[in-house]
Amino acid sequence: GAVVSQHPSWVICKSGTSVKIECRSLDFQATTMFWYRQFPKQSLMLMATSNEGSKATYEQGVEKDKFLINHASLTLSTLTVTSAHPEDSSFYICSAPRPPANYGYTFGSGTRLTVV
Amino acid sequence: AQKITQTQPGMFVQEKEAVTLDCTYDTSDPSYGLFWYKQPSSGEMIFLIYQGSYDQQNATEGRYSLNFQKARKSANLVISASQLGDSAMYFCAMRGRGLTGGGNKLTFGTGTQLKVEL
Repeated sequence: GAVVSQHPSWVICKSGTSVKIECRSLDFQATTMFWYRQFPKQSLMLMATSNEGSKATYEQGVEKDKFLINHASLTLSTLTVTSAHPEDSSFYICSAPRPPANYGYTFGSGTRLTVV
Repeated sequence: AQKITQTQPGMFVQEKEAVTLDCTYDTSDPSYGLFWYKQPSSGEMIFLIYQGSYDQQNATEGRYSLNFQKARKSANLVISASQLGDSAMYFCAMRGRGLTGGGNKLTFGTGTQLKVEL
């Protein structure tokens, strides 16, 4: 149980276009979703925290207008990379607190974004 | 502020041997949780083991055990009887106190790349 489905698993886009990544909680309600970015051979860096029904909280240095996060329902959170550039190429992964104890986390399978 | 330190960028271990991956942390919160995740080349994050700051005993999950030394602020992962499939990146992470339940975010270490050899 407690599965987060993330799509797409990989995407290639042209510079200047926007890409949307979706994370859906399949069998539980995710009131919170964490979005991470991971560059090759590096750690996961938290970009932002989305909460259903309210504005996302962004980490220092993360551009809010470039990385649009929407948490429209208790089962869906989206990250849109706007006007993508090659330096945005990275692995993006979402995570939600895992019920019932809510002390652990369940992760999506990640999205590998390549901007050409 | 919370900080997780993993000082071993890479480790090698022979199959069937045990290996210890180091993790130290720093936090001012009296209540926190420590996690270890495995990330194979596919990128998925696989939960291995959890230790709460108030847990009296070291956590164990099958071949994984966590050597928790609270005074030294260390939470090393021990993998016994290593298998070829254990080759992956391993991350130590900490959740600090904040909103109860799902509001707490994880801070990750830089990871250790483990290679299991025949």
